[in-house]
Amino acid sequence: DQQVKQNSPSLSVQEGRISILNCDYTNSMFDYFLWYKKYPAEGPTFLISISSIKDKNEDGRFTVFLNKSAKHLSLHIVPSQPGDSAVYFCAASDLYGNKLVFGAGTILRVKS
Amino acid sequence: GAGVSQSPSNKVTEKGKDVELRCDPISGHTALYWYRQSLGQGLEFLIYFQGNSAPDKSGLPSDRFSAERTGGSVSTLTIQRTQQEDSAVYLCASSLAPLAGLSYNEQFFGPGTRLTVL
Repeated sequence: DQQVKQNSPSLSVQEGRISILNCDYTNSMFDYFLWYKKYPAEGPTFLISISSIKDKNEDGRFTVFLNKSAKHLSLHIVPSQPGDSAVYFCAASDLYGNKLVFGAGTILRVKS
Repeated sequence: GAGVSQSPSNKVTEKGKDVELRCDPISGHTALYWYRQSLGQGLEFLIYFQGNSAPDKSGLPSDRFSAERTGGSVSTLTIQRTQQEDSAVYLCASSLAPLAGLSYNEQFFGPGTRLTVL
């Protein structure tokens, strides 16, 4: 059973517009939620995280929103840039953060 | 500074053969993780090492999979009698020691080893 789901395999956005990537989870015991970004032939790199006690975390152009009642989180990128084109993975972990549970990823294409 | 390195970058093997995948974590990182990504899937946790503690092997899919970490640094993931379903990208990550509840300790990933079992 997939505990973390990214239902959109791909997303295409115009440069300068907002990109919204979504993620749903089923395990209410998760304590941290994270987004990782992956370019081809490279390992994933950490982008942003949010603790389960918060509902929003912002870092520059990237904002993650958490809706615990809906078991849903989203990543907003604004403004989107062509260099943001990559695969974005949503992940979740317990309080210790040592076993990440990943979604299948969403391919983001930002068109210039 | 150097990131996480993995070798080989690509490995093609025949069904039934054993393979060894190597991971060099970031110096000073006491935690080391192995994940794998099968085609079209997310990353799947395999095993976790933290310092001298017994590893968390809860993600290993079968007893054909094993891993060790020598001297608290380099780790080797061994797959015996490989099967075609073992074909995947095997990713290693390292981090500082996880501290419960204080903050998230970022896991730094290597580029992965692409394993193809014919």
